[in-house]
Amino acid sequence: EIVLTQSPATLSLSPGERATLSCRASQSVSSYLAWYQQKPGQAPRLLMYDASNRATGIPARFSGSGSGTDFTLTISSLEPEDFAVYYCQQRSNWPPYTFGQGTKLEIK
Amino acid sequence: QVQLQESGPGLVKPSQTLSLTCTVSGGSISSGNYFWSWIRQPAGKGLEWIGRIYTSGSTNYNPTLKSRVTISVDTSKNQFSLKLSSVTAADTAVYYCAREGLVAGDGMDVWGQGTTVTVSS
Repeated sequence: EIVLTQSPATLSLSPGERATLSCRASQSVSSYLAWYQQKPGQAPRLLMYDASNRATGIPARFSGSGSGTDFTLTISSLEPEDFAVYYCQQRSNWPPYTFGQGTKLEIK
Repeated sequence: QVQLQESGPGLVKPSQTLSLTCTVSGGSISSGNYFWSWIRQPAGKGLEWIGRIYTSGSTNYNPTLKSRVTISVDTSKNQFSLKLSSVTAADTAVYYCAREGLVAGDGMDVWGQGTTVTVSS
């Protein structure tokens, strides 16, 4: 099973600041990585797929990068609605398609 | 647009079978362009991928749950279902159904709102 490790566990920033979230895989997942945003009481929402492609309706301030084992989700300028928990998920060769443990982005 | 809705009992007794259904609206489950998946999330914890089914009935399961999980599809009702047998308190979670792209790089782009299942006597 591929293990995804997200860092930091919690990130405290202010609106307008830049957020950088990391996801590291225990072995290469090529570019088969997705990012999700989850707010309290809501289902996750797909942000990025194939590491660097924004899903439909996702604002341009969200960007993703990386391949192999190291991936980054960047939010260029935080809006109040961006404070949430973010998960990465790999869909490499075979199930299970594991998730990272999440990064909580909180208001400083 | 496509919407998913989970339904089923919110309380299941230990050792019994958890049964949930996901109804797909706004699109056909038979389109052949997606997998249909189940994911769960214990309160305050992360996400766990349970398994998925394709329109043909082909399934993939999380190896940690494989011996207890069955996912099936009813194309006539535009639904797919989850059965998890021999449940324990550790199976208490919010259960989500989701649509999953066929390509490896795709993500899960449509999710149900989730349904809470508690395992307790």
